[in-house]
Amino acid sequence: GAVVSQHPSWVICKSGTSVKIECRSLDFQATTMFWYRQFPKQSLMLMATSNEGSKATYEQGVEKDKFLINHASLTLSTLTVTSAHPEDSSFYICSAPPLAGGADTQYFGPGTRLTVL
Amino acid sequence: SQQGEEDPQALSIQEGENATMNCSYKTSINNLQWYRQNSGRGLVHLILIRSNEREKHSGRLRVTLDTSKKSSSLLITASRAADTASYFCATSITGANSKLTFGKGITLSVRP
Repeated sequence: GAVVSQHPSWVICKSGTSVKIECRSLDFQATTMFWYRQFPKQSLMLMATSNEGSKATYEQGVEKDKFLINHASLTLSTLTVTSAHPEDSSFYICSAPPLAGGADTQYFGPGTRLTVL
Repeated sequence: SQQGEEDPQALSIQEGENATMNCSYKTSINNLQWYRQNSGRGLVHLILIRSNEREKHSGRLRVTLDTSKKSSSLLITASRAADTASYFCATSITGANSKLTFGKGITLSVRP
């Protein structure tokens, strides 16, 4: 099946620093990628929709200046957590529906665990 | 905001027993999907059922969808210890371009 990778798989940073997380579709192209955040023992909450070649669409309550999204190619989207604080510590997961797979098909990355000290 | 609500929130069963998990949602949907997540890992897609379907099978999985009640159930037959995980339902709302809204999840523990 189609594969989505995320890098890094985990990261620990100091408060105030910025962290970039990459989401790559390895064997398919995607004009859209989704970024989710999951706190411990909770469900996934959609943060934003990443659109190749245009601005991301953010969900209500998500600060676009804090969570910068860039979708520079059909296989790569990046999420940058700027000036990270301990409350940003979470599990970040991306997903991507393939261009050729129809709107129902979506593949998830393995997630990135962010810990902000 | 979350669309789906699963119940029970936690389920503990003996290996070999069947596990039934339910999900309810609030708005019209295009399809409903079930995912599994092992602790600290990404999501694994289990099964998708479209709004015009009522029942679907995949191996030991059986999912039903009742659009009049806005609910779905996931049945895992002959459970195994390896089925221990969190299970989420997720809905795709008509016209939403694959954006998924996840339920709160059910933690399933299968005792060997």
